[in-house]
Amino acid sequence: DTEVTQTPKHLVMGMTNKKSLKCEQHMGHRAMYWYKQKAKKPPELMFVYSYEKLSINESVPSRFSPECPNSSLLNLHLHALQPEDSALYLCASSLRLAASGRSYEQYFGPGTRLTVT
Amino acid sequence: AQRVTQPEKLLSVFKGAPVELKCNYSYSGSPELFWYVQYSRQRLQLLLRHISRESIKGFTADLNKGETSFHLKKPFAQEEDSAMYYCALSGDFGNEKLTFGTGTRLTIIP
Repeated sequence: DTEVTQTPKHLVMGMTNKKSLKCEQHMGHRAMYWYKQKAKKPPELMFVYSYEKLSINESVPSRFSPECPNSSLLNLHLHALQPEDSALYLCASSLRLAASGRSYEQYFGPGTRLTVT
Repeated sequence: AQRVTQPEKLLSVFKGAPVELKCNYSYSGSPELFWYVQYSRQRLQLLLRHISRESIKGFTADLNKGETSFHLKKPFAQEEDSAMYYCALSGDFGNEKLTFGTGTRLTIIP
């Protein structure tokens, strides 16, 4: 399996709801990433996990809570979101984080399109 | 801080004509530069990276440290090249953050 999969494809939630986004890869990658992409904008990094440990948090509000329960799975728990959080949420993975002066190709999932009402 | 600039939001080129998508960057260390592409209804994928010095689908890009540029070029455009192209930068070892430019939508006119 050489793909990153994300579920659900689409999600509509109210501001008081709690929901989760799921990302999975079976390529043996040990680095996983969450990005947020607003319409007609580039992806913006949110979180990076390395060997199931949080490595980077780009000052993301606490209403977004990432979790990496094992090396193949990455979740993003959502609670009390705002309408401005509506966006495409992309997951990516790479063999591992940068080492020996070089970084590794990131493989992207198709994204979850989130609408907060 | 690291920054990537793609000055053209939209670029239209006739089939068979040369293509150049511009990318400039700002970074104080030794960056690694990438071009990512997103075809219609497909996921974002890596097109090429400067350290591999490969030609992928006829595209090449050379890192010019003096001009801090990493322009993407192809001598003869094909219709299937129509897509959204993002230039991206990764910093030195220990700085894994991938910073994307704002993207250029390339349209090849038949």
